Amino acid sequence: SQKIEQNSEALNIQEGKTATLTCNYTNYSPAYLQWYRQDPGRGPVFLLLIRENEKEKRKERLKVTFDTTLKQSLFHITASQPADSATYLCARPPPGGGNKLTFGTGTQLKVEL
Amino acid sequence: NAGVTQTPKFQVLKTGQSMTLQCAQDMNHEYMSWYRQDPGMGLRLIHYSVGAGITDQGEVPNGYNVSRSTTEDFPLRLLSAAPSQTSVYFCASNNRRGTEAFFGQGTRLTVV
Repeated sequence: SQKIEQNSEALNIQEGKTATLTCNYTNYSPAYLQWYRQDPGRGPVFLLLIRENEKEKRKERLKVTFDTTLKQSLFHITASQPADSATYLCARPPPGGGNKLTFGTGTQLKVEL
Repeated sequence: NAGVTQTPKFQVLKTGQSMTLQCAQDMNHEYMSWYRQDPGMGLRLIHYSVGAGITDQGEVPNGYNVSRSTTEDFPLRLLSAAPSQTSVYFCASNNRRGTEAFFGQGTRLTVV
């Protein structure tokens, strides 16, 4: 089955620290992985896409890694701020690509002052 | 440019009633999808479409119908609502390459 696993427990960190969220997948390695942010009562918003031949991708304070050996992606937020508090979702396409994304359940991040 | 627009935002239905959740996008995207989001289950794909006149089933299609007569619109129909369909529904659209998905604001549906 197509499975994406994210830590269901909320992650609480202090402002200014680096938050690290994990996304593990089973079976096949996808052509890419995507990360989304979701705020309460809102739809997910796309943040980053990392392809299987990219080890690391950065966007401002965000960094994503992709390890096809471990079947894992890590999502980092450096210098975290309370405004970063949200649920972060990982998603992958089916084998061969396409738009039928499978999402993880998401990890809730709380950044405290 | 509104992106993906869903209506209504909230809806309460009685068991057995029917209704249509509306979804429209103004980005000329080929691909459109419907997901439901339940606590602990994440987003699950209900139906999707790769273009006008073409639809296919996702992971949890039972109890839902879709059609795609135009590129812009992708309505989701519940023919006979059941309490198990209580959920938050999201519509999404993608460009042809099927990468970044744009989501609507969601419809919170309660079936009593």
